[in-house]
Amino acid sequence: DIQMTQSPSSLSASVGDRVTITCRASQDIRKYLAWFQQKPGKAPKSLIYAASSLRSGVPSRFSGSGSGTDFTLTISSLQPEDFATYYCQQCNNYPFSFGPGTKVDIK
Amino acid sequence: EVQLVESGGGLVQPGGSLRLSCAASGFTLSSYWMSWVRQAPGKGLEWVASIKQDGSEKYYVDSVKGRFTISRDNAKKSLYLQMNSLRAEDTAVYYCARDESWNPDYWGQGTLVTVSS
Repeated sequence: DIQMTQSPSSLSASVGDRVTITCRASQDIRKYLAWFQQKPGKAPKSLIYAASSLRSGVPSRFSGSGSGTDFTLTISSLQPEDFATYYCQQCNNYPFSFGPGTKVDIK
Repeated sequence: EVQLVESGGGLVQPGGSLRLSCAASGFTLSSYWMSWVRQAPGKGLEWVASIKQDGSEKYYVDSVKGRFTISRDNAKKSLYLQMNSLRAEDTAVYYCARDESWNPDYWGQGTLVTVSS
């Protein structure tokens, strides 16, 4: 099974900051990676698929990059509504697996 | 508007069974893979199972194999998760999700399953 790791596990940032979250797969997953945002008590929201493609309606300040085993999610200018937990998920091999999450909170 | 509405959660004793349902609207269910994802209290997301458009392929996380069954009725616009031999560690919010390009693009609001005596 493919193991997913994320770093950091949490970070504190200010509105307007550039934020980068890293996701690493235990083996090559090509570009079969997605990113999700979740706020407390809410369902996850899909942000990015195929490593770098933005889901419809997602603001352009979100971007994704990477392939193989190393991936990043970047928020170019953090907005108040972006404080949340972010998860990556690989869909290259079953069982599909999520990373442990990165919590982004207010500095 | 795409909508996914889960139901069927509740309190069940260890060893018991529960059937979750997900009502889909705003899109053609038969055109999409569908998945169940769960989240234990205070924990991260865990993929549980996925099913192909016509139900001919099903995949499960190891921890539920042989106990859970994913199914669908495209005519009724519904996705299901039959959960048997439930354990305390199955306690979680269960989300129904539509898959696009192999991972979820839309999620339901979730239904809570609590396994406890």
